[in-house]
Amino acid sequence: ELKVEQNPLFLSMQEGKNYTIYCNYSTTSDRLYWYRQDPGKSLESLFVLLSNGAVKQEGRLMASLDTKARLSTLHITAAVHDLSATYFCAVDMKETSGSRLTFGEGTQLTVNP
Amino acid sequence: DAGVIQSPRHEVTEMGQEVTLRCKPISGHNSLFWYRQTMMRGLELLIYFNNNVPIDDSGMPEDRFSAKMPNASFSTLKIQPSEPRDSAVYFCASSLNRALLEQYFGPGTRLTVT
Repeated sequence: ELKVEQNPLFLSMQEGKNYTIYCNYSTTSDRLYWYRQDPGKSLESLFVLLSNGAVKQEGRLMASLDTKARLSTLHITAAVHDLSATYFCAVDMKETSGSRLTFGEGTQLTVNP
Repeated sequence: DAGVIQSPRHEVTEMGQEVTLRCKPISGHNSLFWYRQTMMRGLELLIYFNNNVPIDDSGMPEDRFSAKMPNASFSTLKIQPSEPRDSAVYFCASSLNRALLEQYFGPGTRLTVT
């Protein structure tokens, strides 16, 4: 059974600081996704990482994937209040007739002024 | 594109009643997923369809839950009879299989069973 673990689960940080969220998974996969969820809202796709060593950046967020270590990171640079949300990583468990994602528990990020 | 459409957005019902949640995937997408999100259990995959065929329903909690996809543009998730522990937000997502497999989520249906 595929397990996806994120840490930390709760992160409170000050504006302007840097931090990294980690996503570990238990089985071989070369596809990893990051989603953002605002309170009371749906999930919004942030990044799609499709190969070992993949790195994607959008604004103050940068995601990377190390398939050998079964680890993805989401790095936050100079955090701003607007980044406050819950961030989920999800791993693709590709199967014969389709694919399914297994989600981590989510990291609830609060950026304080 | 309108994105994934779900209805209703909110549903309040009494225990024992039948509840039907509806989903219209993004046009052209051939994979559809039903998720449930609660504080206690996080985001759980209930069932997913590929080309209208159910592929994996191992996440469906009990026989009280059933899902159908009669055509490529419509799916339902039914709970009968509903119980208070079914209270959750139910998301539908769709993706274009054999591509990037990125899933696009609908706005969700917030279900409260009293």
